Amino acid sequence: DAGITQSPRHKVTETGTPVTLRCHQTENHRYMYWYRQDPGHGLRLIHYSYGVKDTDKGEVSDGYSVSRSKTEDFLLTLESATSSQTSVYFCAISDSTSGPPYEQYFGPGTRLTVT
Amino acid sequence: SQQGEEDPQALSIQEGENATMNCSYKTSINNLQWYRQNSGRGLVHLILIRSNEREKHSGRLRVTLDTSKKSSSLLITASRAADTASYFCATDVMEGAQKLVFGQGTRLTINP
Repeated sequence: DAGITQSPRHKVTETGTPVTLRCHQTENHRYMYWYRQDPGHGLRLIHYSYGVKDTDKGEVSDGYSVSRSKTEDFLLTLESATSSQTSVYFCAISDSTSGPPYEQYFGPGTRLTVT
Repeated sequence: SQQGEEDPQALSIQEGENATMNCSYKTSINNLQWYRQNSGRGLVHLILIRSNEREKHSGRLRVTLDTSKKSSSLLITASRAADTASYFCATDVMEGAQKLVFGQGTRLTINP
């Protein structure tokens, strides 16, 4: 998990509460991504960032928002958590300095349970 | 919609045997990547093959790519217990902005 940390690693929260997950990198990579992993669906992209304050939606962005105010931090917020957002969330980063193709490096994951 | 689909969904073999996993995709790609995920961990990049390449090797890994059939295979030779993991293919689609689309994965179990 080269230089990528996620916090918290585990969280249990109640339906309707806001939740923020943090991804922190020490690699100074330009691109950062948030995925969710669910049985039968593999990994699905929620949002990604291609620079400070530059973000875009992924495949399953409804109910999620993101912010990136510093190169090293990418925050994922569930404004009002629902049971369908119970999942394992992974952050990933990739480097653009040497040009494509871009392999991704993943964090250890956050297991979120919404009751 | 899922771009890549792995086959089989699960594979169980004896240690020392070869393991083959397949990935099919739908749209044109720049490259195709394979990742491994050990239980409870993040994904780890294994190997990348570009759209103009047909075969690539890395240690005990061999990847092939057939763009006419929109398919790829990952071969692990002389399997070891430590190879037990889930394996995912991911495609870097032409119009994507450095985004990867992952398949659902193949769960590989190596029996001692």
